Amino acid sequence: QQQVKQSPQSLIVQKGGISIINCAYENTAFDYFPWYQQFPGKGPALLIAIRPDVSEKKEGRFTISFNKSAKQFSLHIMDSQPGDSATYFCAASMRGQNFVFGPGTRLSVLP
Amino acid sequence: NAGVMQNPRHLVRRRGQEARLRCSPVKGHSHVYWYRQLPEEGLKFMVYLQKENIIDESGMPKERFSAEFPKEGPSILRIQQVVRGDSAAYFCASSPGVGDSPLHFGNGTRLTVT
Repeated sequence: QQQVKQSPQSLIVQKGGISIINCAYENTAFDYFPWYQQFPGKGPALLIAIRPDVSEKKEGRFTISFNKSAKQFSLHIMDSQPGDSATYFCAASMRGQNFVFGPGTRLSVLP
Repeated sequence: NAGVMQNPRHLVRRRGQEARLRCSPVKGHSHVYWYRQLPEEGLKFMVYLQKENIIDESGMPKERFSAEFPKEGPSILRIQQVVRGDSAAYFCASSPGVGDSPLHFGNGTRLTVT
């Protein structure tokens, strides 16, 4: 399994602020990069995903920025809300297989 | 349109007993992954299976742990002679294994070894 690095390990943001989580990968064969959101007691759920031929993808308050040359991608949560408090995992896969996950970021949004 | 179903949701076993965790993937999905998660920690990869085949078991301990995904029926993660350190949440995820297809996770089985 190839490694995906993720930072920060934990993040505290005020309500209305921007949350930014960064990930980096090594294997250039990865061709699909999803982000997952996990609430306590639940399984991870797909939040948003991107392919490397796109530099940015936005869905509501969630945006993925992708830098293919740097082999980095990041999740931005605009206007962060207390309900966004969860653990976020970045991931990478090759041709729909061999998924690799980052270690996770615990986000707390203060009211 | 059922998602990934895992059962049981909670499982209590005494040390030395066997634990069998079941995972029914999304209909039509032929790829299954098992992950282990300790409280407030990340997802630790255990094993990746396709129908009737183990593709990657590099994250699974060689002893006491086994996994299968038969042609018919759910995927099974089996832990023999459980120890307290096996207590964790075990998540199953499935995908069709092609293209831009994400993993779909179940809500996990929480194993407690007493």
